[in-house]
Amino acid sequence: DQQVKQNSPSLSVQEGRISILNCDYTNSMFDYFLWYKKYPAEGPTFLISISSIKDKNEDGRFTVFLNKSAKHLSLHIVPSQPGDSAVYFCAARSGANNLFFGTGTRLTVIP
Amino acid sequence: NAGVTQTPKFRVLKTGQSMTLLCAQDMNHEYMYWYRQDPGMGLRLIHYSVGEGTTAKGEVPDGYNVSRLKKQNFLLGLESAAPSQTSVYFCASSYVGYPYNEQFFGPGTRLTVL
Repeated sequence: DQQVKQNSPSLSVQEGRISILNCDYTNSMFDYFLWYKKYPAEGPTFLISISSIKDKNEDGRFTVFLNKSAKHLSLHIVPSQPGDSAVYFCAARSGANNLFFGTGTRLTVIP
Repeated sequence: NAGVTQTPKFRVLKTGQSMTLLCAQDMNHEYMYWYRQDPGMGLRLIHYSVGEGTTAKGEVPDGYNVSRLKKQNFLLGLESAAPSQTSVYFCASSYVGYPYNEQFFGPGTRLTVL
């Protein structure tokens, strides 16, 4: 049973606009949440993370929001750039730094 | 600093054949992981290791074995490959504990089992 879900397989956004990627989870024991970005034929690369004791973390154009009561997190990219086009994976940590990944959302930023 | 490297990049096996995937990291990380990625399934943890000489089962361990004889290497073995093991395999490594939660991934190995 999928503990981390990304219900939107794809998203298209115009360059300069905001991209919002969503993620839901079921396990209330997750203590850390991460977003990874993946280009074709490459491994995932870390983008941004948030501890379960916070509700927001910002790093440049990227902001992650966590709503624990709703078991929901989102990644905001502002402004979106063509180089942001990739597959984005949401992940949640449990135990010995083990990660549970969502199925990914393919973001396309249109110039 | 090469980070995490994986060997080979591509492999085609016939059902029943065996093979070993090699993962190497030069970041002196304690933890290492093997994942598989299938269409529509995201990445799923196969096995992991919390230090040299240790291994543990992840979410989908059946049909795989692992060994961590040296801190920098983590081997994934398929003793008798099956078509269901056709996938892209990713190795990752990380530091121990908080706040070093980030896992660093290798480029992946694409395995096809006929």
